[in-house]
Amino acid sequence: AQKITQTQPGMFVQEKEAVTLDCTYDTSDPSYGLFWYKQPSSGEMIFLIYQGSYDQQNATEGRYSLNFQKARKSANLVISASQLGDSAMYFCAMREGGPGDTGRRALTFGSGTRLQVQP
Amino acid sequence: DGGITQSPKYLFRKEGQNVTLSCEQNLNHDAMYWYRQDPGQGLRLIYYSQIVNDFQKGDIAEGYSVSREKKESFPLTVTSAQKNPTAFYLCASRGNYGYTFGSGTRLTVV
Repeated sequence: AQKITQTQPGMFVQEKEAVTLDCTYDTSDPSYGLFWYKQPSSGEMIFLIYQGSYDQQNATEGRYSLNFQKARKSANLVISASQLGDSAMYFCAMREGGPGDTGRRALTFGSGTRLQVQP
Repeated sequence: DGGITQSPKYLFRKEGQNVTLSCEQNLNHDAMYWYRQDPGQGLRLIYYSQIVNDFQKGDIAEGYSVSREKKESFPLTVTSAQKNPTAFYLCASRGNYGYTFGSGTRLTVV
């Protein structure tokens, strides 16, 4: 079964508008972390934002915020005031287990959403 | 500055050849990971290592091998047994504050 699902292969947004990229996840582990990465055409993975499963508040980092709905197992990324430089692939990822846990603690990735910002 | 260096950036392989992708980190991280990315897809875990001289298979380990003789280095060998090796390969390490990725190696079979 897919552990991370991103249902939007591609999205368009007008410059200066907000956009929401969807992510749902599946885990039975009570402790986990959710990450969003941006991948421009160069291929590098740029970390955007992190949400821990026990965090009470939604994470925010500048223009990025994470809409975390634990009961629905969703972790949507909201980008406010889109810029042309935001055009890229965006990946949602999950790490199962907490900071003190053993185990592989590798990131599991979704299939990504390609965001195109139009002037 | 601390980070992960992957080399080469581009690699061409003839069918039937083994090739080795380099991954070096100076972050003093114990855990390191190799991922494969196919066009338009997410990253899939090939191998990981949580400590020197130990490594484990990930989700798609067939046709790949790794070693971890030094903390700083985690090379990936793509063997001739890998039927479809053309892909983008990313190395990552994990520290107390999250994951750091290298800039990737793009492997093409010619």
